[in-house]
Amino acid sequence: DSGVTQTPKHLITATGQRVTLRCSPRSGDLSVYWYQQSLDQGLQFLIQYYNGEERAKGNILERFSAQQFPDLHSELNLSSLELGDSALYFCASSVEGGHSTDTQYFGPGTRLTVL
Amino acid sequence: AQKITQTQPGMFVQEKEAVTLDCTYDTSDPSYGLFWYKQPSSGEMIFLIYQGSYDQQNATEGRYSLNFQKARKSANLVISASQLGDSAMYFCAMREKTSYDKVIFGPGTSLSVIP
Repeated sequence: DSGVTQTPKHLITATGQRVTLRCSPRSGDLSVYWYQQSLDQGLQFLIQYYNGEERAKGNILERFSAQQFPDLHSELNLSSLELGDSALYFCASSVEGGHSTDTQYFGPGTRLTVL
Repeated sequence: AQKITQTQPGMFVQEKEAVTLDCTYDTSDPSYGLFWYKQPSSGEMIFLIYQGSYDQQNATEGRYSLNFQKARKSANLVISASQLGDSAMYFCAMREKTSYDKVIFGPGTSLSVIP
């Protein structure tokens, strides 16, 4: 158990809908990262927050957004869902995120299926 | 260009034998960190081992060791005394100083341990 929690574990929804994925980082970690893992794209970095502020952006679509709250939990919002958004979405956390040594610990993931 | 290359999409190893999973990387940054993660069929991403670019010695964590050859830009993972529970996908990842907040993952190697 990494100490990172994600809810829900599974999510099935229809095209065009909007969903919210939730993540609680490990105790003491200030950075939260979101990743998407699909069969054809592999593990793709989406976005990172550090202590409530957006710090880095990866291959995140405009239909997707995220935020980190004062209690450091984070939410990833996916809207106007398409079939291709079906994937495993991971949240990871790390102490700081500003050093090459900073290790990211992953949550169990949310498996999103868009029908 | 791919930053992380894992040339073995699938590997088989006999139980109790050692196995080496290859990883080569591409960076011009003198400061970087290398990570290995394990993803069993249950889906979670488990951190295994870390190697810093300035570390003089190869990293070891229990049955996991990293064969770090900086000049060749390779960071191979060695698993000794393989166990059935080692069957999983293994991902090599890198974090560069110029983009500390972004971890780049390789495509992964699927390892199957045969009894």
